[in-house]
Amino acid sequence: GNSVTQMEGPVTLSEEAFLTINCTYTATGYPSLFWYVQYPGEGLQLLLKATKADDKGSNKGFEATYRKETTSFHLEKGSVQVSDSAVYFCALSDRGDSSYKLIFGSGTRLLVRP
Amino acid sequence: KAGVTQTPRYLIKTRGQQVTLSCSPISGHRSVSWYQQTPGQGLQFLFEYFSETQRNKGNFPGRFSGRQFSNSRSEMNVSTLELGDSALYLCASSLAPGADGYTFGSGTRLTVV
Repeated sequence: GNSVTQMEGPVTLSEEAFLTINCTYTATGYPSLFWYVQYPGEGLQLLLKATKADDKGSNKGFEATYRKETTSFHLEKGSVQVSDSAVYFCALSDRGDSSYKLIFGSGTRLLVRP
Repeated sequence: KAGVTQTPRYLIKTRGQQVTLSCSPISGHRSVSWYQQTPGQGLQFLFEYFSETQRNKGNFPGRFSGRQFSNSRSEMNVSTLELGDSALYLCASSLAPGADGYTFGSGTRLTVV
């Protein structure tokens, strides 16, 4: 079945460092890909998405490119801030017959130190 | 506009009891999905509802059930609670299944003792 694999965390960075969180997927067909972020005590917020190969999603300085050839959707940010500390989830859309669900990776905790 | 509202935010129940969680989607959203989040299993899909019909169900026992009302509000019910049901239950809504991603609520934290 479809699945998402994320790099293990926690990832600890200093403020203004470059961030990469790796995400690879296994899927039949052409799923949409998403990054969600979860702050402590809160639900999930959609950070960015891409719906087809070579699409680049971007939001709040974060970017990810849908790479079909490497089945990857790595999250990047050029300069992280303390406020970016959160758990990040990579996800894909799994479309069945008249139904839809998200399949999530295990999450990567990011800690940014001042 | 108001986001996805889940009530209650926190619940403590005893093993063997049952519990009902509520989710009010964003106005105009007709699709509601539920997910369970635990440290061990991560985020797992429970159900999807659209137009009051369950369209999809995840790999959970029959103790987990749900429904959707004509105003798109949804409830999920867990009967005969077990310790392992302790989790954050997240509801997400969308205009329709698969439409432009889902908006999640803040979740209901269920603790079974």
